[in-house]
Amino acid sequence: KAGVTQTPRYLIKTRGQQVTLSCSPISGHRSVSWYQQTPGQGLQFLFEYFSETQRNKGNFPGRFSGRQFSNSRSEMNVSTLELGDSALYLCASSPRGEGGELFFGEGSRLTVL
Amino acid sequence: KQEVTQIPAALSVPEGENLVLNCSFTDSAIYNLQWFRQDPGKGLTSLLLIQSSQREQTSGRLNASLDKSSGRSTLYIAASQPGDSATYLCAVIRYSNDMRFGAGTRLTVKP
Repeated sequence: KAGVTQTPRYLIKTRGQQVTLSCSPISGHRSVSWYQQTPGQGLQFLFEYFSETQRNKGNFPGRFSGRQFSNSRSEMNVSTLELGDSALYLCASSPRGEGGELFFGEGSRLTVL
Repeated sequence: KQEVTQIPAALSVPEGENLVLNCSFTDSAIYNLQWFRQDPGKGLTSLLLIQSSQREQTSGRLNASLDKSSGRSTLYIAASQPGDSATYLCAVIRYSNDMRFGAGTRLTVKP
C-alpha cells in the first residue's frame, strides 16, 4: 500500500511569489491535514480537510490556504511568500475523521530567497 | 490552549541501555496520543498510537504509556541500538485530527 506522497520534495522561490504543494493521501483515507515545521517554532498545525471540507484551521495568516478534491488529494497554497515561510511542509492522512492514526509524508521543503 | 512539553530535549546513551522519554500535556481533552520518530530531513514515522481509553501500547522494543488524568505519557525504549538515533516527537490529537506536537527529544545512541 503506497504511503502519503508529497510533491514537489524541494523547491526554491523568491519573496512575493506564490507556491502550491500537493499531497496524495493513503488510498481510502479521507482526512488530510497540513503542518509547517521550522527550527524555531517546531511543528505547527495549518489546517485539516475531510471529504473536501476544511474542518479546522491553525493560527496562520490568510496567505495560507488549501483545498481537497473529491479523490481526497489535497493542495496547499501560500501566496505572497515571505522569508519566514521557509520550512518543511508536512502532510498527514488518516482513515478516520476523529481519533485515527495519522500517517505523514516525507514533506516538501520550501526555501524562500 | 494545549501545550505539549518533552523532556529531555536531548539524550545521549551507550548502546544497549534502556531509556525513557517523557511527554506532558496541559489539556486532558484529547482523542489520542501518538509517538513519532523523525530522521534528519525526513518526514515523521509513526511509532505508537495510544487511544484515550488505553493505558499503554507496545511494539517490539517500544512501550508507550498514557495517563490522561495527570497529562503524561512516556516512551520506553529497551536495549537501545545506534539505529534508534533520531528525534522522537510526542503529539496529542484533538478534534478534527488537529495534532499538537512537543518540541521533541533528540536521541543519540553511541556504539
